Amino acid sequence: AQSVAQPEDQVNVAEGNPLTVKCTYSVSGNPYLFWYVQYPNRGLQFLLKYITGDNLVKGSYGFEAEFNKSQTSFHLKKPSALVSDSALYFCAVRDINRGSTLGRLYFGRGTQLTVWP
Amino acid sequence: DAGVTQSPTHLIKTRGQQVTLRCSPKSGHDTVSWYQQALGQGPQFIFQYYEEEERQRGNFPDRFSGHQFPNYSSELNVNALLLGDSALYLCASSFRGGANSPLHFGNGTRLTVT
Repeated sequence: AQSVAQPEDQVNVAEGNPLTVKCTYSVSGNPYLFWYVQYPNRGLQFLLKYITGDNLVKGSYGFEAEFNKSQTSFHLKKPSALVSDSALYFCAVRDINRGSTLGRLYFGRGTQLTVWP
Repeated sequence: DAGVTQSPTHLIKTRGQQVTLRCSPKSGHDTVSWYQQALGQGPQFIFQYYEEEERQRGNFPDRFSGHQFPNYSSELNVNALLLGDSALYLCASSFRGGANSPLHFGNGTRLTVT
């Protein structure tokens, strides 16, 4: 079964400090991994994706994520947090080995990131 | 370039009623997916439409149905509404050939069932 776990409901960090939002996944085949951000009363905005290649993926707004196959993790990181980064972050996985390229996304429960001044 | 647009933005219905939500995909996209996001939860996949056919379906009852039109826009219909159907309904579009293509989401329709 495909699933995503975000072990932290909330992450708090001071502005200027590095941040990490954790994600682990479970798929039967090779994963396609995504991070999305959601601001209040808005839809989800794409941040970055891992398909293949380098384990460190760079995305929008200075975010990056590290893919670790042995630990089945895909943690979101940013070297220096901004107050404007405060939002709800979702990790998602798509199992490309389910016989269709139109595969659904499986989302985690989300992690609320709060960056204080 | 317009992104994914959804209407209405908010909706209040009574238990037992029926509702229709609408979605126009991002320009150039031909695949539409619908997700339900309950309060405090991640989005849950309802179903996906491509070439006017339902291609995949999540674990939702038959009260949830949909349609895709020749211009790729889509509707989500929910019959016999329950209180538990209250949620943010998100439409997402993509281009069929891209398994690695990210979904582009609309801002959602907030449905409240009383």
